[in-house]
Amino acid sequence: EAAVTQSPRNKVAVTGGKVTLSCNQTNNHNNMYWYRQDTGHGLRLIHYSYGAGSTEKGDIPDGYKASRPSQENFSLILELATPSQTSVYFCASGDAGGAGAETLYFGSGTRLTVL
Amino acid sequence: AQSVDQPDAHVTLSEGASLELRCSYSYSAAPYLFWYVQYPGQSLQFLLKYITGDTVVKGTKGFEAEFRKSNSSFNLKKSPAHWSDSAKYFCALGRNSNNRIFFGDGTQLVVKP
Repeated sequence: EAAVTQSPRNKVAVTGGKVTLSCNQTNNHNNMYWYRQDTGHGLRLIHYSYGAGSTEKGDIPDGYKASRPSQENFSLILELATPSQTSVYFCASGDAGGAGAETLYFGSGTRLTVL
Repeated sequence: AQSVDQPDAHVTLSEGASLELRCSYSYSAAPYLFWYVQYPGQSLQFLLKYITGDTVVKGTKGFEAEFRKSNSSFNLKKSPAHWSDSAKYFCALGRNSNNRIFFGDGTQLVVKP
């Protein structure tokens, strides 16, 4: 069964440290997304990608970088982690439903705590 | 600009009652509209979407939603509700100009047995 897998499931980092969140999809979808979910908020888009080698800024990209080295893999990188980046991060891939009409398939999430 | 509003942060009802979760959107062109559900401790799962055509769309788990252009709404419905429907529900908006999808803040639904 097609799936989106995130690692790690939980991560504790120190302020100023570098954090890499990984996402792998077997859906063969071109589009992939990184969202964060905070209490009282919906999902907010950080970065997204249309395919290998491409990354685009979402609504809250500051403090984050993204990397899409292949169709299957999409990473989110926090070069200098801060406590404000403590959150739950979700990766998703999108099917070929057409621009804006695609169904998203989400990973299980990564709970990141920055101390 | 575009936005999604879910005015009810929490909804509580009894098992067997009818549920309706409200969603309104703001977008100047034809929207694509979605509902996703997040069960406790789990990730988000797709329920249904409206792209074009019939204004009542049916999804998984017995849910349906009605698109009403007149008041920019896309409310989620199910009857009867079951205790296992307790979860957080997210309405989302897509645009035909790009692949970005915008989520509302969600409605936490509690169905009491």
